[in-house]
Amino acid sequence: ETGVTQSPTHLIKTRGQQVTLRCSSQSGHNTVSWYQQALGQGPQFIFQYYREEENGRGNFPPRFSGLQFPNYSSELNVNALELDDSALYLCASSLKRAGGDETQYFGPGTRLLVL
Amino acid sequence: AQSVTQLGSHVSVSEGALVLLRCNYSSSVPPYLFWYVQYPNQGLQLLLKYTSAATLVKGINGFEAEFKKSETSFHLTKPSAHMSDAAEYFCAVSPYSGGGADGLTFGKGTHLIIQP
Repeated sequence: ETGVTQSPTHLIKTRGQQVTLRCSSQSGHNTVSWYQQALGQGPQFIFQYYREEENGRGNFPPRFSGLQFPNYSSELNVNALELDDSALYLCASSLKRAGGDETQYFGPGTRLLVL
Repeated sequence: AQSVTQLGSHVSVSEGALVLLRCNYSSSVPPYLFWYVQYPNQGLQLLLKYTSAATLVKGINGFEAEFKKSETSFHLTKPSAHMSDAAEYFCAVSPYSGGGADGLTFGKGTHLIIQP
């Protein structure tokens, strides 16, 4: 158990809808990264949030957006859902500090099915 | 740019046999390298991480990996497979210890099957 929790565990949506996924980071961590894992594939980096600001972004369209809150928990929002958005969405938290080692610890994921 | 190639989408070994999962990487800067394991319907668990402190990295559950710069490889091994090792294994690379602004770049994974 890493201490990273995600909700909900499973979700079914219809094409064109919007979805919000939630992540609570491990105690003491200040950074959250989100990944999309399609069936049979490795995870792909969506974006990272550090101190409530987007710190980097992978090759995902703007309809994927996020937030990080003062308690370092985070949300991933996806608008205008497409069938290809069906995947396991993983959240990872880490402690970013000057000169320190940083390691990402993953939550159990949210499985999204778009019909 | 970073990339990872995991050779063999499926690897099958007998219980008690050596486990060898292959990972080759491409990186324009000295890399951080990771092995994660994913059990069915679960998230990713960190097995081990290379940070340039030592080329042979020991991880959890008896796994270890050796960084070979000349071969751009970071293969994962375990001397004796156990039934509980059956899972999906992912190799990942990053220019930063925590993924940073580019995140971790993962391979496609290797499914490890343990034969009784």
